[in-house]
Amino acid sequence: GQQVMQIPQYQHVQEGEDFTTYCNSSTTLSNIQWYKQRPGGHPVFLIQLVKSGEVKKQKRLTFQFGEAKKNSSLHITATQTTDVGTYFCAAGGSARQLTFGSGTQLTVLP
Amino acid sequence: NAGVTQTPKFQVLKTGQSMTLQCAQDMNHEYMSWYRQDPGMGLRLIHYSVGAGITDQGEVPNGYNVSRSTTEDFPLRLLSAAPSQTSVYFCASSRISGGAVYTQYFGPGTRLTVL
Repeated sequence: GQQVMQIPQYQHVQEGEDFTTYCNSSTTLSNIQWYKQRPGGHPVFLIQLVKSGEVKKQKRLTFQFGEAKKNSSLHITATQTTDVGTYFCAAGGSARQLTFGSGTQLTVLP
Repeated sequence: NAGVTQTPKFQVLKTGQSMTLQCAQDMNHEYMSWYRQDPGMGLRLIHYSVGAGITDQGEVPNGYNVSRSTTEDFPLRLLSAAPSQTSVYFCASSRISGGAVYTQYFGPGTRLTVL
């Protein structure tokens, strides 16, 4: 089945530093979604990317979908303590399933 | 709208016991799914359904059964609990079109411990 690799697994940053997590697939994806899970909470949808080379921004968050639709990234500029949590990518294909990456756990040190 | 609700929030079972985790959604979504989350392993799909009466297996279906008699409800049954099923279980719902799964709305989760 489809596999999605997400790196890094953990990231500690000082407040104000930038953060990036990457998601890679060996197969072409029809779309990719990003979710955030706060400690003790449930995953919450952030965004979906569908088009090759697509870039979307949400305030300090920038999401990119690669030209070949095999990779994606989430970049946070000037992290804040409210950004703490685990960020997951989820790859969609035509198989009526989403395949989640293993997540990147972000810690922001004040 | 309540969104996706799950009960119970916490459960402790002994090995060999059976139980049903409840999930309901009020968004009229066709697609519902169950995931388990273990440390460092992300979310793994157990079973999913694309509509009432239609279910299918995900990545880790062994030891679990599901049914979908209505659009709203999608219970997950553990047939004979094992310590390896200790996990956090999330139910999710979404629209689906042409095989593509859209935004997943997750329930709050059930934290299950099997002794």
